[in-house]
Amino acid sequence: RKEVEQDPGPFNVPEGATVAFNCTYSNSASQSFFWYRQDCRKEPKLLMSVYSSGNEDGRFTAQLNRASQYISLLIRDSKLSDSATYLCVVTPNAGGTSYGKLTFGQGTILTVHP
Amino acid sequence: EAQVTQNPRYLITVTGKKLTVTCSQNMNHEYMSWYRQDPGLGLRQIYYSMNVEVTDKGDVPEGYKVSRKEKRNFPLILESPSPNQTSLYFCASSLEPYSYNEQFFGPGTRLTVL
Repeated sequence: RKEVEQDPGPFNVPEGATVAFNCTYSNSASQSFFWYRQDCRKEPKLLMSVYSSGNEDGRFTAQLNRASQYISLLIRDSKLSDSATYLCVVTPNAGGTSYGKLTFGQGTILTVHP
Repeated sequence: EAQVTQNPRYLITVTGKKLTVTCSQNMNHEYMSWYRQDPGLGLRQIYYSMNVEVTDKGDVPEGYKVSRKEKRNFPLILESPSPNQTSLYFCASSLEPYSYNEQFFGPGTRLTVL
């Protein structure tokens, strides 16, 4: 089983739609969680961190479910400019032997069309 | 401007010819890391460095070397490149690897090994 798994998609949605991505992780001791966005052939950029209590940033909502070991990203009112690949990132327990490692999911492709 | 720079941006080389990809950051970050990105596999961590003179293997270190003699620089060395190292490489830095700190990525280096 991969350490971090995402549905690669692609997700094709119309403008204004709501779309949700999930990301599962295998290491129950994982400590920190993030969503990054990557435009075609560009570097990844942080979209948002994922907090235990869930967090929202405008049209974006991130959730963490430690019991089921997944994180989710919800995008409301999709815009054309949301078209990108969304990467989930998991870091291990800071006190573990893999301290300093980061594991990325393979990314979920989103295309928003008019 | 706070940034991570990589050079070269594009490189075509031949099997066995040693090469170095440079990475530099001007944000006084402690942590630096190298990733490779391949279709269907996402970003995979090659090496990371928690601080000067401290480096550690990521998930795919075979065939690569790194050094961290200065805080700002973290070069990636391929002593004897092979075609399976053809990939898109990203360098990244952050204040710390495991807390809610943003990873800042360089623009990427597209390497082709013939």
